[in-house]
Amino acid sequence: DAKTTQPPSMDCAEGRAANLPCNHSTISGNEYVYWYRQIHSQGPQYIIHGLKNNETNEMASLIITEDRKSSTLILPHATLRDTAVYYCIVRVEETSGSRLTFGEGTQLTVNP
Amino acid sequence: EPEVTQTPSHQVTQMGQEVILRCVPISNHLYFYWYRQILGQKVEFLVSFYNNEISEKSEIFDDQFSVERPDGSNFTLKIRSTKLEDSAMYFCASSFGLNEQFFGPGTRLTVL
Repeated sequence: DAKTTQPPSMDCAEGRAANLPCNHSTISGNEYVYWYRQIHSQGPQYIIHGLKNNETNEMASLIITEDRKSSTLILPHATLRDTAVYYCIVRVEETSGSRLTFGEGTQLTVNP
Repeated sequence: EPEVTQTPSHQVTQMGQEVILRCVPISNHLYFYWYRQILGQKVEFLVSFYNNEISEKSEIFDDQFSVERPDGSNFTLKIRSTKLEDSAMYFCASSFGLNEQFFGPGTRLTVL
């Protein structure tokens, strides 16, 4: 799986949009971009994933650049409960169960 | 909303003892996983399980580890002879297909 690079930490004001970047310059054509988050030692929580088109769900939006070398996770109206470590993961969806490889992630702190 | 459950939430054991960690995946899911997270470190993949057999395992998953789906609902991780370095949070996850994985709340294993 391709390597990802994320800033170690970010801050955001409550109610504002949180934009979390991720670089994945070596991504292959069949690799998806996944975002998970982990709130203080709880189990990781799936947020969103995409291949090349932008995606939106009830939690967040995922913007993938046209060359697919980077992406941004957007939490449109961050709340204090969004304080967590956010992981950007690139993986191939293979025929057998494929692992998630977690990096260090970005510690997002939402401030009141 | 269906969720992955894990028991116990905390297990304390003596070095050399066997432990079994239990998970109930989401009912219609077909793929099952175990991950672990040593305190302060990254989430690490251990094993994936599909169609009643291991589909992938990491270098961490040595002969001391085994997994089983003894019935239609449970998925277990057994550590035969625990070591101090097995102390960690163990997360079970499941997925319907090869896309998003849903994680349980974890079992904290403490080996004394």
